[in-house]
Amino acid sequence: AQKITQTQPGMFVQEKEAVTLDCTYDTSDPSYGLFWYKQPSSGEMIFLIYQGSYDQQNATEGRYSLNFQKARKSANLVISASQLGDSAMYFCAMREHQGGSEKLVFGKGTKLTVNP
Amino acid sequence: EAQVTQNPRYLITVTGKKLTVTCSQNMNHEYMSWYRQDPGLGLRQIYYSMNVEVTDKGDVPEGYKVSRKEKRNFPLILESPSPNQTSLYFCASRLTMGGRNEQFFGPGTRLTVL
Repeated sequence: AQKITQTQPGMFVQEKEAVTLDCTYDTSDPSYGLFWYKQPSSGEMIFLIYQGSYDQQNATEGRYSLNFQKARKSANLVISASQLGDSAMYFCAMREHQGGSEKLVFGKGTKLTVNP
Repeated sequence: EAQVTQNPRYLITVTGKKLTVTCSQNMNHEYMSWYRQDPGLGLRQIYYSMNVEVTDKGDVPEGYKVSRKEKRNFPLILESPSPNQTSLYFCASRLTMGGRNEQFFGPGTRLTVL
């Protein structure tokens, strides 16, 4: 079974509108972390936002916020006021412990296109 | 400048010719890892290292080797590359396990095996 599921292969949004990118996860580790990364066409991976499993409040970083619903095991990324530069691949990832180590598992990504 | 560097950035090689992709970080990070990215599959972890001389397999380790003799370096070795190892490879590092420590990625190495 997939640990991280991103159900939207592609999403379109109009400039200046908000968009939500979905991410659901599966883990039995009580202490885990969730990350979102952006990958523009140039290829680099850019960290956007982090949510810890024990964090009481949803994480926010500028125009990015994470809608964390622990009981539903979802960690959706919300981008407000979309800009043309937001067009990119977006990856959800989960850090979980395995034995004495930890792993970071990525979803397959969502390609966001912002239309002018 | 804090960064993760990878070399080479682009490489075209032939089946069976041993190659090494270097990775170096200047942030004194304990945790380093290698990923491959393939269309429609996202990033999959190849190997990771929690500290010097401590390495472990990720999800797709077959055909790869790593070593961690120094904290800053974590080379990826393909002893006998095959066409199915054609991919985009990322090295990454983070300060330590746990917490909100984000993972810093290198710029990527695009490998083609003919």
